[in-house]
Amino acid sequence: EAQVTQNPRYLITVTGKKLTVTCSQNMNHEYMSWYRQDPGLGLRQIYYSMNVEVTDKGDVPEGYKVSRKEKRNFPLILESPSPNQTSLYFCASSFTREFMNTEAFFGQGTRLTVV
Amino acid sequence: AQSVAQPEDQVNVAEGNPLTVKCTYSVSGNPYLFWYVQYPNRGLQFLLKYITGDNLVKGSYGFEAEFNKSQTSFHLKKPSALVSDSALYFCAVRDEGDKLVFGAGTILRVKS
Repeated sequence: EAQVTQNPRYLITVTGKKLTVTCSQNMNHEYMSWYRQDPGLGLRQIYYSMNVEVTDKGDVPEGYKVSRKEKRNFPLILESPSPNQTSLYFCASSFTREFMNTEAFFGQGTRLTVV
Repeated sequence: AQSVAQPEDQVNVAEGNPLTVKCTYSVSGNPYLFWYVQYPNRGLQFLLKYITGDNLVKGSYGFEAEFNKSQTSFHLKKPSALVSDSALYFCAVRDEGDKLVFGAGTILRVKS
């Protein structure tokens, strides 16, 4: 089954304690990205990757890191989480625009609370 | 910069009635437009897309959307709403850098 898998689904952590949210896709997509969802703001892109070893900042990258060592994995790293990073996070993957099937597939989400 | 606007925070409709969720866009070049639905505690699910071709696009669960270039709109529609359609709906545009730019979302409530 084609899917994007995120883990964990729920996470409560304390300020400053490094954490990683994993994301994996099995569709051989080049493009992967991370979004955060906050009430009234829709989804905002944090980081994205066009392919292996190619990553770039989205609209709200401060406080986050990513890596793309393999095509299928795109982990999101919070080196020193702060309460303003409490949010619902989604990983997404897709083919790039040159392909007509450009819809993105989303993971189930990770609800992060930083206290 | 590409953007989409969803002017309604919430849409209420009675079961069996037609529904419309509005979306307007601002893009340079040809727009790649999408609708996604989010059910509680779930990720976003793709409903339909407009890339090129026929202005009326049909998607999942009986939804359709009409692309109107002159009005820069891409409204989501369904002829007969179901209670199970109640969810959060997002309009999005894919820019030339492949980023999806989302609207703020519209809550659809269908009452029996």
